[in-house]
Amino acid sequence: GQQVMQIPQYQHVQEGEDFTTYCNSSTTLSNIQWYKQRPGGHPVFLIQLVKSGEVKKQKRLTFQFGEAKKNSSLHITATQTTDVGTYFCADYNTDKLIFGTGTRLQVFP
Amino acid sequence: KAGVTQTPRYLIKTRGQQVTLSCSPISGHRSVSWYQQTPGQGLQFLFEYFSETQRNKGNFPGRFSGRQFSNSRSEMNVSTLELGDSALYLCASSLVGETEAFFGQGTRLTVV
Repeated sequence: GQQVMQIPQYQHVQEGEDFTTYCNSSTTLSNIQWYKQRPGGHPVFLIQLVKSGEVKKQKRLTFQFGEAKKNSSLHITATQTTDVGTYFCADYNTDKLIFGTGTRLQVFP
Repeated sequence: KAGVTQTPRYLIKTRGQQVTLSCSPISGHRSVSWYQQTPGQGLQFLFEYFSETQRNKGNFPGRFSGRQFSNSRSEMNVSTLELGDSALYLCASSLVGETEAFFGQGTRLTVV
C-alpha cells in the first residue's frame, strides 16, 4: 500500500533558526494536508494543498506541493518555542487520511 | 462551538477483554473517522462512517469494529484485546464536502 515518509524524524533547533520537514510518498498524492500535534495533544489541521507546484504561506510557515505531486515540504522561518510539536503530512484520499511518519521538532530557547 | 468529544480519556483493560470508545463529532459534522496512534506504527486509519454507513476501512483485524448512530455519534469496539492494542485512539469529524478533519483529544487505551 501507499507509504508516506517524512524526514527528518527529529529536529532540534535553537530558537530563531529555520526548520524544514520533507514529505515523500510512494504514490501520487491526491491532496496533501499538514497537521501539528503538540506534546500530549491531538493533531490540528494547518493547511491543504491541492495543485501541483502549489505554495501557500501562513505567517512564518511555508508549504509546498511538488510538481509531480509525490512530495511536499513545510518550512518554518525563525522558529519559536511555540512551534514545538510533531508535524505530520497526510494524503487525503477517498475520505481517509494516510499520515506520514511525522517530524518531531524541539526548539531550545 | 464544542469540539470533538471522546470518552473516556483514559482506559486500562486486561488482555482478552473488550472495550468500547465513544466519539461525539462537532455539531453538523456527519463524517466520523477513527485513527490509531502508536509510537511504532504512527497514525493509522481505522475506519470512516457517514450517515451510519461505513464507507472506508483500514487494514486492521476484524476485532476492530465501529458504528455510527443517527445523531452522528460514533463508537468503536475492540474485542479480545491484545497488548499491541495499547494506543491513543483518535476520532475526527468533518463537514460534508470538506476535507479538513477536526480531531478529538483521544482515548488512551492501555492493555495489561
